[in-house]
Amino acid sequence: AQKITQTQPGMFVQEKEAVTLDCTYDTSDPSYGLFWYKQPSSGEMIFLIYQGSYDQQNATEGRYSLNFQKARKSANLVISASQLGDSAMYFCAMREETYDNYGQNFVFGPGTRLSVLP
Amino acid sequence: NAGVTQTPKFQVLKTGQSMTLQCAQDMNHEYMSWYRQDPGMGLRLIHYSVGAGITDQGEVPNGYNVSRSTTEDFPLRLLSAAPSQTSVYFCASREDIGETQYFGPGTRLLVL
Repeated sequence: AQKITQTQPGMFVQEKEAVTLDCTYDTSDPSYGLFWYKQPSSGEMIFLIYQGSYDQQNATEGRYSLNFQKARKSANLVISASQLGDSAMYFCAMREETYDNYGQNFVFGPGTRLSVLP
Repeated sequence: NAGVTQTPKFQVLKTGQSMTLQCAQDMNHEYMSWYRQDPGMGLRLIHYSVGAGITDQGEVPNGYNVSRSTTEDFPLRLLSAAPSQTSVYFCASREDIGETQYFGPGTRLLVL
């Protein structure tokens, strides 16, 4: 079963507008972390934002915020005031606290390609 | 700090050849991982290490070997390259199991 779902293969947004990238996850672990990474055309993976499952408030980092709805198992990324440089692939990832399987607890979704239009 | 570094950036191999993808980090991270990225499939874990001398298989380990003799280095070896191994390979590290993972710049591999 897919643990991370990103239902939007591609998204378009007008420059300076806000955009929401969807992410839903599946876990039975009560303790987990959710991440968003950006991959521009140059190929590197850039960490954007993190949300812990026990965090009471939604995470924010500059123009990025994570809309965390625990009961719905969703962790959508909101980018405010989009810029041309935001055009990239965006990956949602989840880390589960499975200490008996240390390395395999970090899984990625298939990604969403965001294009910012001038 | 250089962070996570990978070499080479790009490599072309013929079927059956072997090679080693290098990964190094200078952050004293215990946890290191290798992923491959294929179109439409996100990143899939190949092998990982929780410290020097300790490695284990991930989701797609076949055709790859790893070793971890030092904290800094985590090379990935392709034993006999196949066209199905054409992909982009990322090395990543993190300080602890619960920490954010940081990625190297990637190695683009083409197997003919």
